[in-house]
Amino acid sequence: RKEVEQDPGPFNVPEGATVAFNCTYSNSASQSFFWYRQDCRKEPKLLMSVYSSGNEDGRFTAQLNRASQYISLLIRDSKLSDSATYLCVVNPNAGNNRKLIWGLGTSLAVNP
Amino acid sequence: DVKVTQSSRYLVKRTGEKVFLECVQDMDHENMFWYRQDPGLGLRLIYFSYDVKMKEKGDIPEGYSVSREKKERFSLILESASTNQTSMYLCASSEGVHEQYFGPGTRLTVT
Repeated sequence: RKEVEQDPGPFNVPEGATVAFNCTYSNSASQSFFWYRQDCRKEPKLLMSVYSSGNEDGRFTAQLNRASQYISLLIRDSKLSDSATYLCVVNPNAGNNRKLIWGLGTSLAVNP
Repeated sequence: DVKVTQSSRYLVKRTGEKVFLECVQDMDHENMFWYRQDPGLGLRLIYFSYDVKMKEKGDIPEGYSVSREKKERFSLILESASTNQTSMYLCASSEGVHEQYFGPGTRLTVT
C-alpha cells in the first residue's frame, strides 16, 4: 500500500458544482496533513492545513477521519480558476522528522 | 509572506556538464528541501537540510549532491548531468515540522 493515495482523477465538473477528493494514508501515527494546489507548470502552493478533525476556508473544506485514515477536500461552487492539480500531503511525524509524504495528485478541470 | 527564489526558471545543459541550482529563502527557516517532479511520478525528495552544513539523503540522491553554507541558501549540484536528470526541480523551505513553501522551480533540460 502506498503511503499516501489519492483519487486518480481527472475530475471534470461544470462551474458551480461541488466536488470532493479523497486521500488515504497508511501511517496511523501521522499528525498533520495538508492540501496543496498546483497549477500547470507552476510550483505547489499551500491550500489548507489540517491539524485536527477538519478545517474550512471559504468554499473549501478539509476533513480528517483518523479512524479510517483518510482526508477529504470538498470544493463548493466550483470556479473556472479552481482548475488545477490538488496534492494530498502527510507529515508522518516520526520523531523529529521534517519530511512530508506527497500524493501524486488529483487533476480537476472546471468547465464553463 | 515566505519567499523562496531559485536561480533559474529554465536551464539547458549538455550531458556531462556540472550543474548548480541555487535556492534562497528569506524567512529564516531551518529546513530546506530539493525535489524533482516528473509526470506520473509526483514529487520525489532528493536531499534536505535541517541546519547549516547538515544534509540528509532523500529518496533519490544518486547523481546529486547539496551544499548549505548559509542558513538561507541551499544548492543542488549535478556532478555530471545526464539526460535522465531532465526534470522540474523544486526547492522548498519550512520551519519545524510544518508546511513547506516552494520556489517557482527550475526546468532543466539535459541534451
